[in-house]
Amino acid sequence: AQRVTQPEKLLSVFKGAPVELKCNYSYSGSPELFWYVQYSRQRLQLLLRHISRESIKGFTADLNKGETSFHLKKPFAQEEDSAMYYCALEGYGGGKLIFGQGTELSVKP
Amino acid sequence: DVKVTQSSRYLVKRTGEKVFLECVQDMDHENMFWYRQDPGLGLRLIYFSYDVKMKEKGDIPEGYSVSREKKERFSLILESASTNQTSMYLCASSQQSAWEEAFFGQGTRLTVV
Repeated sequence: AQRVTQPEKLLSVFKGAPVELKCNYSYSGSPELFWYVQYSRQRLQLLLRHISRESIKGFTADLNKGETSFHLKKPFAQEEDSAMYYCALEGYGGGKLIFGQGTELSVKP
Repeated sequence: DVKVTQSSRYLVKRTGEKVFLECVQDMDHENMFWYRQDPGLGLRLIYFSYDVKMKEKGDIPEGYSVSREKKERFSLILESASTNQTSMYLCASSQQSAWEEAFFGQGTRLTVV
């Protein structure tokens, strides 16, 4: 069965510190992977997707098929990065997304 | 500006009531989804639809049904609301391919008393 696991419910760091939000998945094929973010009082929105190989707001994520992971990283956290982050997997080919439990990132001044 | 609009931001209903949550998208997307969002559990898929009148069960369909009579509208129905259905409900839509972005509504906070 497809599954996405985010082991940390809450991650608290100081401004300027590096950040890594963990995401592990279980899927036998080659999934598409995404990170979505929800800022306070805003709707859930796409942060980045594996297929684009992009860096958004300083965040990057690398797909490691051997470890079945798609961790989200940023070298220097900013206070405005505080939000709920969700890792998601698409494995059916038709756009159906399976989400993880979410990690709340808190960046302290 | 793309939009997914949910009809209500907050709803309070009584146990046993039939509840309708409505979602409309203006992007001509094939896919539409209903998720519930609970702390510590993340987003769990209730139902999704990949075409008009088509629907597929997600991970937690029990106690829910859906209707998609028009491409732009996807309704979630709680046949007989129960307190354990108190939650945030999110609607989303996307194009029908694996790498397409999903666009979300603002959410409906449903409280069943």
